[in-house]
Amino acid sequence: NAGVTQTPKFRILKIGQSMTLQCAQDMNHNYMYWYRQDPGMGLKLIYYSVGAGITDKGEVPNGYNVSRSTTEYFPLRLELAAPSQTSVYFCASSGSENTGELFFGEGSRLTVL
Amino acid sequence: GEDVEQSLFLSVREGDSSVINCTYTDSSSTYLYWYKQEPGAGLQLLTYIFSNMDMKQDQRLTVLLNKKDKHLSLRIADTQTGDSAIYFCAESPGGYQKVTFGTGTKLQVIP
Repeated sequence: NAGVTQTPKFRILKIGQSMTLQCAQDMNHNYMYWYRQDPGMGLKLIYYSVGAGITDKGEVPNGYNVSRSTTEYFPLRLELAAPSQTSVYFCASSGSENTGELFFGEGSRLTVL
Repeated sequence: GEDVEQSLFLSVREGDSSVINCTYTDSSSTYLYWYKQEPGAGLQLLTYIFSNMDMKQDQRLTVLLNKKDKHLSLRIADTQTGDSAIYFCAESPGGYQKVTFGTGTKLQVIP
């Protein structure tokens, strides 16, 4: 019962470096999402996808890119890391067209110094 | 845009009831959710309610919805130390539509 798997769990980056946060789900869900969580701010949607080959911007997309070549994978790319991108990132998926229940990964804590 | 507000912190004694409150602004909300986040983990759905309901009960959890005032609450009866977590209120028009989360309420249960 893997569900939604995120890697890495922790990462420290220097300003200007690039990296990709990986996300995989084994539930055959069409819908996948990337959120960031900052203290006292709740979760903000970065990007989402309604199916393979389709992605769209969320509330805070600047500085990030995504791709969705298959149903299972939804990586998030940071091209030029900035201190403002220090956060905890959550990938989520949903297979329900009714309730919209989200299944979350365990999160990736990113620090940009 | 949509907005969901919660108080940031709640402290209760073990065995007492906890009530976590939430207000939202989007009148088109069809589903309202309560998610729980334990330390170092992702969010997990606790329960949800349709906007045409005013109450839902599930074991120790009671959700009340006042649609007129756009107010949602989560009551946890007989609160245990294992209930210590952050609780997020969220709303959605339904389906794959974007879910909007509140800031989260950190529940501390004192033994």
